[in-house]
Amino acid sequence: AQKVTQAQTEISVVEKEDVTLDCVYETRDTTYYLFWYKQPPSGELVFLIRRNSFDEQNEISGRYSWNFQKSTSSFNFTITASQVVDSAVYFCALGGSGTYKYIFGTGTRLKVLA
Amino acid sequence: GAVVSQHPSWVICKSGTSVKIECRSLDFQATTMFWYRQFPKQSLMLMATSNEGSKATYEQGVEKDKFLINHASLTLSTLTVTSAHPEDSSFYICSASDLTGLARNNEQFFGPGTRLTVL
Repeated sequence: AQKVTQAQTEISVVEKEDVTLDCVYETRDTTYYLFWYKQPPSGELVFLIRRNSFDEQNEISGRYSWNFQKSTSSFNFTITASQVVDSAVYFCALGGSGTYKYIFGTGTRLKVLA
Repeated sequence: GAVVSQHPSWVICKSGTSVKIECRSLDFQATTMFWYRQFPKQSLMLMATSNEGSKATYEQGVEKDKFLINHASLTLSTLTVTSAHPEDSSFYICSASDLTGLARNNEQFFGPGTRLTVL
């Protein structure tokens, strides 16, 4: 069975702090895809990153970085120097190679306080 | 990039009425569309998968007679909530994928969502 666990329900940080959002996944597929989405209060999902199971390179995009560790089945997301505009719910998702369905984690609500 | 629209963005209806939500892929052909439901402060739950020209596949626990899905063309899928009740109030999100082209890396493109309130 496929599963995505985001153990952190809510995190509050003060602006300019770094914050890491955890994502642990379970799958029996050898080919799979991992995603992070941001959902601001408006509700629209904002795509942040996609990573396939064969690419374990970490990625950095501005203040965002992702750490993919197949050995621990984790795909963690770090925001450096957080800003108030980063306040949102962040979802990690897992896509299989056959069904094209996504399994979403329960989300982590990030509050960045000024 | 691939753009998906939804209409309406929000709707309020009376209990017992039916509501139709449209999902359109604006710049690509969506061979497959997905419908999700998201209750407040919860995650997105997949309701059904629809392929153009064929019947939708519903997830366990989703009533196919209540949530009618039609994917009649490669750019349009509709979700009709029949005889809506207050417990159907939710945020409905569609996504679209082109399994023959853009769906490299298993990508789905999400619409902006429709907020349904049933009084």
